[in-house]
Amino acid sequence: DAGVIQSPRHEVTEMGQEVTLRCKPISGHNSLFWYRQTMMRGLELLIYFNNNVPIDDSGMPEDRFSAKMPNASFSTLKIQPSEPRDSAVYFCASSLLGGDLGYTFGSGTRLTVV
Amino acid sequence: GEDVEQSLFLSVREGDSSVINCTYTDSSSTYLYWYKQEPGAGLQLLTYIFSNMDMKQDQRLTVLLNKKDKHLSLRIADTQTGDSAIYFCVETGDFGNEKLTFGTGTRLTIIP
Repeated sequence: DAGVIQSPRHEVTEMGQEVTLRCKPISGHNSLFWYRQTMMRGLELLIYFNNNVPIDDSGMPEDRFSAKMPNASFSTLKIQPSEPRDSAVYFCASSLLGGDLGYTFGSGTRLTVV
Repeated sequence: GEDVEQSLFLSVREGDSSVINCTYTDSSSTYLYWYKQEPGAGLQLLTYIFSNMDMKQDQRLTVLLNKKDKHLSLRIADTQTGDSAIYFCVETGDFGNEKLTFGTGTRLTIIP
């Protein structure tokens, strides 16, 4: 398996623009997690899905952030409009509940909003 | 609430042992993990310990768990330059892979 695949690896955008981050989890995994990592706040859980259904989105910063999982093999995290304080590395991770331990992380998307 | 605490930085001379400490709060954690994040990369599961164990050894890695004090440590023997990374202590709930709680991470720097 190719692991958890995120795209793009890097994104630079202007303030106010819409940004869409993409994730393909490991085939067969039924849970998917979106994290944000910054120097100031460390690793923060934004939202997680189980069987494509959002279970906990309490970590989503505000209404500008939205996440979808239309099927078991794809998820998006959208920021509209983007702001400079959204600059961070966004990680997607997946797991199989009751399966192998822990999460498998993607390589992350480094977002810079100027 | 859930909170996992670690020191932010640790510097160790090459060849010495590194010890990274962590305190956690969720006594129901079934597993406790250590994740490693190398520069510019994602997080990888390094090792784990089941909550009914006191110690686990895996080559150069030794994990010690004091469940009474909710204290977890990771010892890396003969630390090498390739061990430079951020190490995250992680607690779980009743399951081993649902809604993990990550610590702040400890940045390990190797001094030549």
